[in-house]
Amino acid sequence: AQKVTQAQTEISVVEKEDVTLDCVYETRDTTYYLFWYKQPPSGELVFLIRRNSFDEQNEISGRYSWNFQKSTSSFNFTITASQVVDSAVYFCALEDTSYGKLTFGQGTILTVHP
Amino acid sequence: DGGITQSPKYLFRKEGQNVTLSCEQNLNHDAMYWYRQDPGQGLRLIYYSQIVNDFQKGDIAEGYSVSREKKESFPLTVTSAQKNPTAFYLCASSYGSGTGVLDYGYTFGSGTRLTVV
Repeated sequence: AQKVTQAQTEISVVEKEDVTLDCVYETRDTTYYLFWYKQPPSGELVFLIRRNSFDEQNEISGRYSWNFQKSTSSFNFTITASQVVDSAVYFCALEDTSYGKLTFGQGTILTVHP
Repeated sequence: DGGITQSPKYLFRKEGQNVTLSCEQNLNHDAMYWYRQDPGQGLRLIYYSQIVNDFQKGDIAEGYSVSREKKESFPLTVTSAQKNPTAFYLCASSYGSGTGVLDYGYTFGSGTRLTVV
């Protein structure tokens, strides 16, 4: 069975601090996809990144960066110089490529204070 | 613009009543999904459908039913058998499994918040 664990339930930081959200996953598949989504108070899930299991290169997109380490089954997300607008719930998810289903972690509530 | 429309945004259900949540997409996606979100538990899969007239149970299907008569529509019925239906429900769609790198994953609706009164 697939499983995604996000170690931090809630994180609180002050604006301009860097923050890392942890994600550890379990799967028996050799090919899989990992995702990060942002859920603002409005409730809609905002796509941030999709990573193929064969691509272990780290990725940077503006203030966002992702560290994928297959050896430790981790896919961590870092926000550099956090801003109040980053306050949201963040979900890590793993795709079952056989059925196209997503397994989500329990989410991390990030609060960025001014 | 293409996307997923969920309605209503808020829904109130009385005890013992069935209610239906609507999900419509115009993305020409083959697969559609229903997730339930409870505080601190992330999103859990209720039902999914990879093709018209076919659907499968997810992890928490008890007390729910779905239909997939049209590619664009995947309504979810919360039946009276669902003992704790108060939650946030999200519908999603995708091109389906096995589509490889051309598929950028899932599109989610804006959700329906269901409350039992």
